[in-house]
Amino acid sequence: DQQVKQNSPSLSVQEGRISILNCDYTNSMFDYFLWYKKYPAEGPTFLISISSIKDKNEDGRFTVFLNKSAKHLSLHIVPSQPGDSAVYFCAASAFGVGNNRLAFGKGNQVVVIP
Amino acid sequence: ETGVTQSPTHLIKTRGQQVTLRCSSQSGHNTVSWYQQALGQGPQFIFQYYREEENGRGNFPPRFSGLQFPNYSSELNVNALELDDSALYLCASSVKDGGSAPLHFGNGTRLTVT
Repeated sequence: DQQVKQNSPSLSVQEGRISILNCDYTNSMFDYFLWYKKYPAEGPTFLISISSIKDKNEDGRFTVFLNKSAKHLSLHIVPSQPGDSAVYFCAASAFGVGNNRLAFGKGNQVVVIP
Repeated sequence: ETGVTQSPTHLIKTRGQQVTLRCSSQSGHNTVSWYQQALGQGPQFIFQYYREEENGRGNFPPRFSGLQFPNYSSELNVNALELDDSALYLCASSVKDGGSAPLHFGNGTRLTVT
């Protein structure tokens, strides 16, 4: 049973424009959410996270929005750069940051066109 | 600071055989987790080790087992390999109850079972 869902498996966006990735979850116990980026032949790299007590977290070009009532989060990348071309995974955990048991979505392939 | 390293990078085994994958944690990290990423899927939690003991397990059969050593390095052992065990196996380390520190992943071991 997929507890974290990422639809629209792939996304193409022009360099300089905004990339928006969406993620839905079903487990109401999830209280910590993360986005990871993965290049081919490398492990996932942590990008940004958000706790359930917040609805927005921003780090440079990356912003994550959380809508707890809708069990939905999104990642905004602006402006998009060619180096952002990668697979992006949404992940979630229960019982806070110290818990390493992450549930991942299937990932979104992002291609940024120069 | 040394990151998470995994060995080997690639491995081919025959159905029914046994395999051992190895992981060295990032320095200063005391917790190691293992994930399985099948083709086209997100990583799935196998188990976590803390202080040399299993500290959480996902929905994987007992033929998946692990060890954590005093230097926090770890092994993943899989017995009686099945074709469906073909996947990328990711090791991740972190500091338990370490505040906002997320998981740091290695580049994985690609296991092919024929």
